[in-house]
Amino acid sequence: RKEVEQDPGPFNVPEGATVAFNCTYSNSASQSFFWYRQDCRKEPKLLMSVYSSGNEDGRFTAQLNRASQYISLLIRDSKLSDSATYLCVVNKRGGADGLTFGKGTHLIIQP
Amino acid sequence: DVKVTQSSRYLVKRTGEKVFLECVQDMDHENMFWYRQDPGLGLRLIYFSYDVKMKEKGDIPEGYSVSREKKERFSLILESASTNQTSMYLCASMGGGTDTQYFGPGTRLTVL
Repeated sequence: RKEVEQDPGPFNVPEGATVAFNCTYSNSASQSFFWYRQDCRKEPKLLMSVYSSGNEDGRFTAQLNRASQYISLLIRDSKLSDSATYLCVVNKRGGADGLTFGKGTHLIIQP
Repeated sequence: DVKVTQSSRYLVKRTGEKVFLECVQDMDHENMFWYRQDPGLGLRLIYFSYDVKMKEKGDIPEGYSVSREKKERFSLILESASTNQTSMYLCASMGGGTDTQYFGPGTRLTVL
């Protein structure tokens, strides 16, 4: 099993729809979790951290399921500007050397 | 706001040349990283540094070296560039007790 695994997509979703995607991780001792967003030909930027209790930021909701070792990202009322690649990041042991990036899920919001 | 800058956005070099990529951050972060990103392979860690003059190998250090003489600056060196080092190179910094990484805009390197 890969350390951090994501469905690469692309997910083609009509504007206004709700879309969700998951990321699975292999190390059960992983300590922190993040979603980053990367626009075409740009650098990744932090979208949100993922807390054990789940967290919400506007139209975005992130959840962690430790028992099944996955994190999820839900986007409600999707906008054209949400089109991007979403990278799952897991810190498997804390500290600078523990961060592992997934390869990303490509999302395309269609008008 | 954290700012991470990289010396060039685009660079074209010839096989065998020595290449320097520089990264500067302005937030006094202890940790700095160099990644390369290729289609289908995602982000791969080349080297990272957790303090001045300290460096650790990442997943793909072969063909690369790094230098961190000052806290704010982390340089990636390709001693003898090869065509398989054509890639997008991303620098990142992290600090302040968090594990959030801040990335520079990237350098798209082409080796001919």
